[in-house]
Amino acid sequence: DAGVTQSPTHLIKTRGQHVTLRCSPISGHKSVSWYQQVLGQGPQFIFQYYEKEERGRGNFPDRFSARQFPNYSSELNVNALLLGDSALYLCASSLGTRDEKLFFGSGTQLSVL
Amino acid sequence: QKEVEQNSGPLSVPEGAIASLNCTYSDRGSQSFFWYRQYSGKSPELIMSIYSNGDKEDGRFTAQLNKASQYVSLLIRDSQPSDSATYLCAVNLPSGGSYIPTFGRGTSLIVHP
Repeated sequence: DAGVTQSPTHLIKTRGQHVTLRCSPISGHKSVSWYQQVLGQGPQFIFQYYEKEERGRGNFPDRFSARQFPNYSSELNVNALLLGDSALYLCASSLGTRDEKLFFGSGTQLSVL
Repeated sequence: QKEVEQNSGPLSVPEGAIASLNCTYSDRGSQSFFWYRQYSGKSPELIMSIYSNGDKEDGRFTAQLNKASQYVSLLIRDSQPSDSATYLCAVNLPSGGSYIPTFGRGTSLIVHP
């Protein structure tokens, strides 16, 4: 069975640009969560979606947005990129939103120049 | 106070020794607790989950939970150089009817031959 897939793996953008990151969860998983991880820190929660509805939002500015599609795949959008947005963006899928374990994709490494 | 706290380390242990990793959390309403391992340049992978007070063993790994003291620990017996990685503690924190997996900053473990 395929695991969580993320695309692209690497991305280089300049300040002010827009970026879209994509994630496909494990088959049967209905929840997708997005995290930002900078070097030396743990993953920081950005969004959680379950059955196409936003179930949680972390402490990130409105430049960050996301959505989940009927097939449970998800997109994370970041507008007006800043240098500080450079990080590894991780997508994780789970069966639900309560006690379930997270399964991570390989991540998208975003560099903002 | 941070929601999930871990000592960043590094924790250095000799091969064959027991490595002890600790984590504290702030919300008494938390019900689910996880340990993830993250190798350098890779995404986190789940190694243990624990939901009730006491010990849970899986091979060389033992997770310990004490809800009264709000701490979770991970013991790695017979540590191997291949165990060298960052260990992330995650706690599902209640938030508006959902549960948000929230990570600590991770503890770097180095097992030297």
